[in-house]
Amino acid sequence: DAGVIQSPRHEVTEMGQEVTLRCKLISGHNSLFWYRQTMMRGLELLIYFNNNVPIDDSGMPEDRFSAKMPNASFSTLKIQPSEPRDSAVYFCASSPWGGSYNEQFFGPGTRLTVL
Amino acid sequence: KNQVEQSPQSLIILEGKNCTLQCNYTVSPFSNLRWYKQDTGRGPVSLTIMTFSENTKSNGRYTATLDADTKQSSLHITASQLSDSASYICVVSAARGSTLGRLYFGRGTQLTVWP
Repeated sequence: DAGVIQSPRHEVTEMGQEVTLRCKLISGHNSLFWYRQTMMRGLELLIYFNNNVPIDDSGMPEDRFSAKMPNASFSTLKIQPSEPRDSAVYFCASSPWGGSYNEQFFGPGTRLTVL
Repeated sequence: KNQVEQSPQSLIILEGKNCTLQCNYTVSPFSNLRWYKQDTGRGPVSLTIMTFSENTKSNGRYTATLDADTKQSSLHITASQLSDSASYICVVSAARGSTLGRLYFGRGTQLTVWP
Protein backbone atom coordinates (compact mmCIF):
# COMPACT_ATOMS: atom_id res chain seq x y z
CA ASP A 1 0.00 0.00 0.00
CA ALA A 2 1.48 3.32 -1.05
CA GLY A 3 1.98 5.91 1.61
CA VAL A 4 1.42 9.63 1.26
CA ILE A 5 2.69 10.79 -2.12
CA GLN A 6 4.11 14.27 -2.61
CA SER A 7 5.30 15.98 -5.75
CA PRO A 8 7.60 17.41 -6.75
CA ARG A 9 10.30 16.17 -4.36
CA HIS A 10 12.46 19.18 -5.11
CA GLU A 11 11.52 22.58 -6.51
CA VAL A 12 13.81 25.48 -7.31
CA THR A 13 12.20 28.68 -8.44
CA GLU A 14 12.82 32.38 -8.62
CA MET A 15 11.31 34.96 -6.34
CA GLY A 16 7.91 36.08 -7.56
CA GLN A 17 7.03 32.84 -9.29
CA GLU A 18 4.01 30.74 -8.42
CA VAL A 19 4.72 27.40 -6.74
CA THR A 20 2.27 24.52 -6.46
CA LEU A 21 2.95 21.55 -4.21
CA ARG A 22 0.86 18.40 -4.49
CA CYS A 23 -0.17 15.68 -2.11
CA LYS A 24 -2.09 12.42 -2.43
CA LEU A 25 -3.55 10.95 0.76
CA ILE A 26 -3.42 7.34 1.83
CA SER A 27 -6.51 5.58 0.50
CA GLY A 28 -9.32 5.64 3.06
CA HIS A 29 -7.93 8.51 5.10
CA ASN A 30 -10.13 11.52 5.70
CA SER A 31 -7.75 14.12 7.09
CA LEU A 32 -4.87 15.95 5.50
CA PHE A 33 -2.24 18.19 7.06
CA TRP A 34 0.28 20.57 5.50
CA TYR A 35 3.48 21.28 7.46
CA ARG A 36 6.55 23.42 6.87
CA GLN A 37 9.97 22.68 8.34
CA THR A 38 12.98 25.00 8.52
CA MET A 39 16.15 24.99 10.54
CA MET A 40 15.17 28.24 12.22
CA ARG A 41 11.57 27.45 13.13
CA GLY A 42 11.43 23.66 13.17
CA LEU A 43 8.19 21.93 12.18
CA GLU A 44 5.04 24.06 11.85
CA LEU A 45 1.47 23.05 11.03
CA LEU A 46 0.09 25.28 8.27
CA ILE A 47 -3.42 23.95 7.73
CA TYR A 48 -5.46 20.80 8.05
CA PHE A 49 -8.61 19.42 6.41
CA ASN A 50 -11.26 16.94 7.51
CA ASN A 51 -13.36 15.47 4.70
CA ASN A 52 -12.12 18.13 2.26
CA VAL A 53 -13.12 20.97 4.60
CA PRO A 54 -10.41 23.26 6.04
CA ILE A 55 -10.66 23.04 9.82
CA ASP A 56 -7.75 25.14 11.04
CA ASP A 57 -5.70 27.43 8.83
CA SER A 58 -4.25 29.54 11.62
CA GLY A 59 -0.76 28.41 10.71
CA MET A 60 -0.89 29.72 7.16
CA PRO A 61 1.70 32.50 7.19
CA GLU A 62 -0.03 35.01 4.93
CA ASP A 63 -2.34 35.49 1.97
CA ARG A 64 0.35 34.36 -0.44
CA PHE A 65 -0.32 30.82 0.77
CA SER A 66 -3.46 28.91 -0.16
CA ALA A 67 -4.43 25.25 0.13
CA LYS A 68 -7.22 23.30 -1.50
CA MET A 69 -8.67 19.79 -1.48
CA PRO A 70 -10.55 19.42 -4.76
CA ASN A 71 -11.40 15.82 -3.87
CA ALA A 72 -11.10 13.37 -1.02
CA SER A 73 -7.66 12.10 -1.96
CA PHE A 74 -5.73 15.06 -3.32
CA SER A 75 -4.56 18.45 -2.10
CA THR A 76 -2.48 21.36 -3.34
CA LEU A 77 -0.54 24.03 -1.50
CA LYS A 78 0.08 27.11 -3.58
CA ILE A 79 2.45 29.99 -2.91
CA GLN A 80 1.97 33.08 -5.05
CA PRO A 81 4.16 35.04 -5.33
CA SER A 82 6.98 33.07 -3.76
CA GLU A 83 9.71 34.72 -1.67
CA PRO A 84 13.15 33.50 -0.55
CA ARG A 85 11.91 33.17 3.04
CA ASP A 86 9.46 30.51 1.84
CA SER A 87 12.39 28.16 1.27
CA ALA A 88 11.73 25.11 3.42
CA VAL A 89 10.71 21.48 3.33
CA TYR A 90 6.94 21.13 3.02
CA PHE A 91 5.39 17.95 4.36
CA CYS A 92 1.95 16.57 3.80
CA ALA A 93 0.48 14.07 6.27
CA SER A 94 -2.73 12.08 6.25
CA SER A 95 -4.74 10.53 9.05
CA PRO A 96 -7.79 8.27 9.20
CA TRP A 97 -9.58 11.12 10.98
CA GLY A 98 -8.48 14.49 12.32
CA GLY A 99 -9.13 13.50 15.88
CA SER A 100 -6.61 14.33 18.51
CA TYR A 101 -5.36 10.79 19.00
CA ASN A 102 -5.13 9.55 15.46
CA GLU A 103 -1.70 8.89 14.06
CA GLN A 104 -0.53 11.03 11.17
CA PHE A 105 1.43 9.48 8.33
CA PHE A 106 3.89 11.85 6.70
CA GLY A 107 4.94 12.00 3.08
CA PRO A 108 8.57 12.35 1.99
CA GLY A 109 8.34 16.13 1.70
CA THR A 110 9.00 18.70 -1.01
CA ARG A 111 12.19 20.71 -0.65
CA LEU A 112 11.46 24.20 -1.94
CA THR A 113 14.20 26.68 -2.74
CA VAL A 114 13.23 30.19 -3.75
CA LEU A 115 16.13 32.17 -5.20
CA LYS B 1 2.73 31.14 26.56
CA ASN B 2 2.39 27.62 25.18
CA GLN B 3 5.80 26.18 24.43
CA VAL B 4 7.64 22.91 23.99
CA GLU B 5 11.33 22.78 24.88
CA GLN B 6 13.58 19.83 24.10
CA SER B 7 16.99 18.98 25.44
CA PRO B 8 19.68 18.35 24.61
CA GLN B 9 19.74 20.00 21.21
CA SER B 10 22.15 17.32 19.98
CA LEU B 11 23.61 14.14 21.41
CA ILE B 12 26.31 11.69 20.33
CA ILE B 13 26.47 8.21 21.83
CA LEU B 14 28.23 4.94 21.04
CA GLU B 15 26.35 2.03 19.57
CA GLY B 16 24.85 -0.20 22.24
CA LYS B 17 24.56 2.56 24.85
CA ASN B 18 21.32 3.90 26.29
CA CYS B 19 20.20 7.53 26.18
CA THR B 20 17.36 9.73 27.37
CA LEU B 21 15.90 12.73 25.59
CA GLN B 22 13.87 15.36 27.44
CA CYS B 23 10.78 17.37 26.59
CA ASN B 24 9.29 20.07 28.81
CA TYR B 25 6.06 21.80 27.89
CA THR B 26 3.78 24.57 29.10
CA VAL B 27 0.81 23.74 26.84
CA SER B 28 -2.56 24.03 28.50
CA PRO B 29 -5.12 22.55 28.38
CA PHE B 30 -3.18 19.40 27.59
CA SER B 31 -4.53 16.67 25.34
CA ASN B 32 -1.66 14.39 24.36
CA LEU B 33 2.06 14.22 23.70
CA ARG B 34 3.74 12.50 20.78
CA TRP B 35 7.31 11.58 20.03
CA TYR B 36 8.35 11.44 16.38
CA LYS B 37 11.51 10.10 14.79
CA GLN B 38 12.70 11.88 11.66
CA ASP B 39 15.46 10.37 9.56
CA THR B 40 17.49 12.76 7.43
CA GLY B 41 15.61 13.64 4.24
CA ARG B 42 12.40 11.90 5.29
CA GLY B 43 9.14 12.75 6.98
CA PRO B 44 8.59 12.21 10.71
CA VAL B 45 7.35 8.82 11.91
CA SER B 46 5.29 8.48 15.07
CA LEU B 47 6.91 6.51 17.90
CA THR B 48 4.48 6.96 20.78
CA ILE B 49 1.46 8.98 21.84
CA MET B 50 0.44 9.48 25.45
CA THR B 51 -2.60 11.04 27.03
CA PHE B 52 -2.95 12.69 30.40
CA SER B 53 -3.64 9.42 32.19
CA GLU B 54 -0.67 7.49 30.76
CA ASN B 55 2.75 7.77 32.34
CA THR B 56 4.72 5.31 30.24
CA LYS B 57 4.49 3.73 26.81
CA SER B 58 6.92 1.53 24.93
CA ASN B 59 7.58 0.85 21.28
CA GLY B 60 10.35 -1.71 20.99
CA ARG B 61 13.56 -0.18 22.31
CA TYR B 62 11.85 3.19 22.73
CA THR B 63 10.13 4.01 26.03
CA ALA B 64 8.38 7.32 26.60
CA THR B 65 7.38 8.63 30.00
CA LEU B 66 5.03 11.44 30.89
CA ASP B 67 4.64 13.38 34.13
CA ALA B 68 1.59 15.54 33.59
CA ASP B 69 2.05 17.25 36.95
CA THR B 70 5.50 18.59 36.15
CA LYS B 71 4.74 18.77 32.41
CA GLN B 72 7.77 16.73 31.48
CA SER B 73 8.29 13.82 29.12
CA SER B 74 11.30 11.73 28.30
CA LEU B 75 12.17 9.31 25.53
CA HIS B 76 14.55 6.54 26.56
CA ILE B 77 16.36 4.55 23.89
CA THR B 78 17.80 1.22 24.97
CA ALA B 79 20.75 -0.52 23.35
CA SER B 80 21.13 2.09 20.63
CA GLN B 81 21.73 1.11 17.03
CA LEU B 82 23.22 3.04 14.13
CA SER B 83 19.72 3.32 12.66
CA ASP B 84 18.62 5.32 15.70
CA SER B 85 20.58 8.28 14.33
CA ALA B 86 17.85 10.80 13.60
CA SER B 87 16.04 13.85 14.92
CA TYR B 88 13.51 13.17 17.68
CA ILE B 89 10.66 15.65 17.87
CA CYS B 90 8.26 16.15 20.78
CA VAL B 91 4.78 17.43 19.83
CA VAL B 92 2.12 18.46 22.35
CA SER B 93 -1.54 18.80 21.39
CA ALA B 94 -3.80 21.22 23.19
CA ALA B 95 -7.26 19.96 24.11
CA ARG B 96 -10.24 20.94 21.99
CA GLY B 97 -12.93 18.35 22.56
CA SER B 98 -12.67 15.34 20.30
CA THR B 99 -11.17 17.24 17.41
CA LEU B 100 -7.52 18.04 16.94
CA GLY B 101 -6.37 20.93 19.04
CA ARG B 102 -3.50 23.28 18.31
CA LEU B 103 -0.17 21.47 17.95
CA TYR B 104 3.02 22.75 19.57
CA PHE B 105 6.32 21.44 18.28
CA GLY B 106 9.70 21.12 19.92
CA ARG B 107 12.79 21.91 17.87
CA GLY B 108 13.99 18.34 18.16
CA THR B 109 17.05 16.53 19.50
CA GLN B 110 19.55 15.40 16.89
CA LEU B 111 20.88 12.01 17.94
CA THR B 112 23.98 10.52 16.37
CA VAL B 113 24.98 6.94 17.13
CA TRP B 114 28.62 6.08 16.42
CA PRO B 115 29.90 2.56 15.81
